[in-house]
Amino acid sequence: NAGVTQTPKFQVLKTGQSMTLQCAQDMNHEYMSWYRQDPGMGLRLIHYSVGAGITDQGEVPNGYNVSRSTTEDFPLRLLSAAPSQTSVYFCASSPQGWGNTEAFFGQGTRLTVV
Amino acid sequence: AQSVTQLDSQVPVFEEAPVELRCNYSSSVSVYLFWYVQYPNQGLQLLLKYLSGSTLVKSINGFEAEFNKSQTSFHLRKPSVHISDTAEYFCAVTSAGGYQKVTFGTGTKLQVIP
Repeated sequence: NAGVTQTPKFQVLKTGQSMTLQCAQDMNHEYMSWYRQDPGMGLRLIHYSVGAGITDQGEVPNGYNVSRSTTEDFPLRLLSAAPSQTSVYFCASSPQGWGNTEAFFGQGTRLTVV
Repeated sequence: AQSVTQLDSQVPVFEEAPVELRCNYSSSVSVYLFWYVQYPNQGLQLLLKYLSGSTLVKSINGFEAEFNKSQTSFHLRKPSVHISDTAEYFCAVTSAGGYQKVTFGTGTKLQVIP
């Protein structure tokens, strides 16, 4: 029972580099989302998806792209990393995405941009 | 729009003492309320939730929270804390009837002192 799996766990990037944070879930959940966690700011929604082929922006989408080609995978792309993107990133999924359902979180990716 | 306020960023408490972590929310529509817990270097996991019905909800490890609509609060309490309760606790709100655009509070770090 893997749940939500994020890779890598740690990453250091130079300013301007690109990378993809991977997220996969094996629970057949329709709804998936990406958050960033910064000290004193809680979790902020970056992008979310209500099903394969459907994505939308959250609260802080600038500098990030997503796609959802399968139900299982929801990668987050940083096209040109900036120091302001240094953060801990969490992927989450839930069965249907309605407000009354629990979100299941991955273990996080700690990203440092130098 | 909805928001969540956790006024206490850190709460130190001695082992076996009671604790209350405060959460207030604002929303123009009916809400669902959640408490998530994050242990060090891990993702968030659901502690308890209020959807409807009884305003007092309980977790399996002794925490409870009471939904107070008039005071727009959802405070988390435990009568006797253990060292293992040391973690960060996040209050979260979603709008009833809509997709899961979760709004998180900024978190409260509970430090249990032996």
